[in-house]
Amino acid sequence: QKEVEQNSGPLSVPEGAIASLNCTYSDRGSQSFFWYRQYSGKSPELIMFIYSNGDKEDGRFTAQLNKASQYVSLLIRDSQPSDSATYLCAVTNTGNQFYFGTGTSLTVIP
Amino acid sequence: EPEVTQTPSHQVTQMGQEVILRCVPISNHLYFYWYRQILGQKVEFLVSFYNNEISEKSEIFDDQFSVERPDGSNFTLKIRSTKLEDSAMYFCASSGTGGHQPQHFGDGTRLSIL
Repeated sequence: QKEVEQNSGPLSVPEGAIASLNCTYSDRGSQSFFWYRQYSGKSPELIMFIYSNGDKEDGRFTAQLNKASQYVSLLIRDSQPSDSATYLCAVTNTGNQFYFGTGTSLTVIP
Repeated sequence: EPEVTQTPSHQVTQMGQEVILRCVPISNHLYFYWYRQILGQKVEFLVSFYNNEISEKSEIFDDQFSVERPDGSNFTLKIRSTKLEDSAMYFCASSGTGGHQPQHFGDGTRLSIL
C-alpha cells in the first residue's frame, strides 16, 4: 500500500507568520508532487506542484522536495486568515494513479 | 478560466439503485479521473482514463463501477447497485497533455444513499 502521511493538525499560526506543512510518502518511485487547498465542503484547489529536488516558489508559497528523504513540504509566508483550510499533499508515480494524504488543517489567527 | 463541471451537485438514491454521475472536463484536456471523499476522510483515487480506456484503477473501483466517455465532452461514472457505503463526495478531475500535469477538480457531486 502506497502511503502519504501528513500531520492532521490542527496547525494554528498568527496572521503574518510562516506556516509549514509537511508530507512524507512511502513509494520511492514517486515522480510528481502536488499541494492542494481544500475549504470545508469544497473541492481541492491546486496550489503548487513540484517534480525536482529543491525549492519552488510561487508568490507566498514555496514547495520543497527531498526525494532521498521522501518528503515534500509547503511553506506559506505572510499567512492570511483566508489561508485557513485543509492542505492536501498528493503524489504519483505513473501519472495515472494519485495518492492523497489525509490533509493538515491550518488556522490562521487574525 | 476553463472549469471542470459536474452534475448533479447532489444526488439522493435508494440503496440498490443505479446512479450516473456526470462530468465535463476542460476541453483540451486528455486525462480524466474520478475520486471519492467520504465525509471527514481523505480523497481516494478511483480511476484514470486516457485515450478512451481506463489507464489505472484502485481497489475501490470494483465491478460495480464503470466509466464512459459517451461523446466528445462528457465523462461519466456509473455505480450499478449502490450501497450505503457509497455515500460520499465524488470529484471528477482532468489534466492536460501529460499524466503528471496538475489536475483540475470539479466542484463534486454529493451522493447520498438511503
